[in-house]
Order: sequence, then structure tokens, then C-alpha cells
Amino acid sequence: GAVVSQHPSRVICKSGTSVKIECRSLDFQATTMFWYRQFPKQSLMLMATSNEGSKATYEQGVEKDKFLINHASLTLSTLTVTSAHPEDSSFYICSVPRGSSYNEQFFGPGTRLTVL
Amino acid sequence: GDSVTQMEGPVTLSEEAFLTINCTYTATGYPSLFWYVQYPGEGLQLLLKATKADDKGSNKGFEATYRKETTSFHLEKGSVQVSDSAVYFCALSGGGFKTIFGAGTRLFVKA
Repeated sequence: GAVVSQHPSRVICKSGTSVKIECRSLDFQATTMFWYRQFPKQSLMLMATSNEGSKATYEQGVEKDKFLINHASLTLSTLTVTSAHPEDSSFYICSVPRGSSYNEQFFGPGTRLTVL
Repeated sequence: GDSVTQMEGPVTLSEEAFLTINCTYTATGYPSLFWYVQYPGEGLQLLLKATKADDKGSNKGFEATYRKETTSFHLEKGSVQVSDSAVYFCALSGGGFKTIFGAGTRLFVKA
């Protein structure tokens, strides 16, 4: 069964509103989770690393005030897209590193965000 | 910087055909290489991996060999099934946790 869940799976919102996406590690505790963004027919791009109990680490070019990440517990990380615009429409995927090596990851099923 | 290039899809095959999906990479040092698969409506799953040159990863009839001399990690399967229809991602990790993905190749297998 799934070890990482995301909620919601799809969301449609109006421009200017904020949207929260949850990522849950179901089978084990995760001090670190990752957030990716995937445009149609393109690669997954790492947006940020979510760290339990501390601030997230953002990749270059990702606006931290736009994409708020909160890692409130060892099983939950949330990504909030603030003041969403149509260009934020995308597929957002979280992952949890696997084992002692962070090379392998368990992925969530993804959240399709559409901003009208 | 590090990058992964894989063949564009979609790839359409008949059942029992031979599959090759090409993947090449650019990286400093000695990365680990992966193939992930995404079935319709599901998240990505690790299909196979190789951590050093000449390693062969294999799983579910799929295999890929880490070729340092050609910087390649091509995915192969001798006889595909309809259930193999999915999107396949080649990826590398150069250490730590940062994983770089190829664009993905969609495979359609016809009965």
C-alpha cells in the first residue's frame, strides 16, 4: 500500500486565493520531506526541502514567500501556495527519503492545482 | 550542472515486444542512477537502481546497466506487457538527497 499520501489530489481555485497541500508519511517518521513541481511533459523539479522543526530549504529561483512550507510533525508537511496565479497551475509532488541514504525516495501521488 | 536526458515519447509497442528507453546523464563524480515508474493515477515508484559503474539493476523483468564510459543507463525489457504501460523516469543522485529527473517517457503497450 501507499506509504506517502497527498491531499487533495486535485484542486481548482480562483486567482489570488491560497491553497494548502498536505503530504503525509504513513508508515514511518520523516524528519525530511521534499516538494517537487512537474509541468506537463517535463521533469520533476525540486522546489524545496521540508525539515521537521526548522525552516525549509528552497531551491534557487523558488520564492519562499510564495510557497510556504511547514513541517509540523514527523509525519506531515504542508505546502501553501499563496496568492495563487494561473502560472502556478501545475502538478505538485512530495516525497520522503528512503532508508539511511537519501538517494531513494517514496513519492506521494501528487496534487493537480489549477488556478483560474 | 548535473542533468539527465531520456528519449522522448510516447513509445508504443505491441505486447511481447522488446523495449529500450535510452537515458544518458551528465554529472560530476559518481552518481547513483535510478529508474522510477509512474502508473496511471499513482505516484512514482522506484523500479531499479545502480550505484556504481557496471552495476546492473533489475526488477520485474526490467534491467539497466550503469555505463560510465558512455554515461548511459538505458532501460530494457525483453517482453513487455499491457500492464507495463506507464511513464518511466530516469534519475540520478549525486550524493545527499538531491535527485535530478529526466523528462519522462510514456510507454503504451497494445494487446
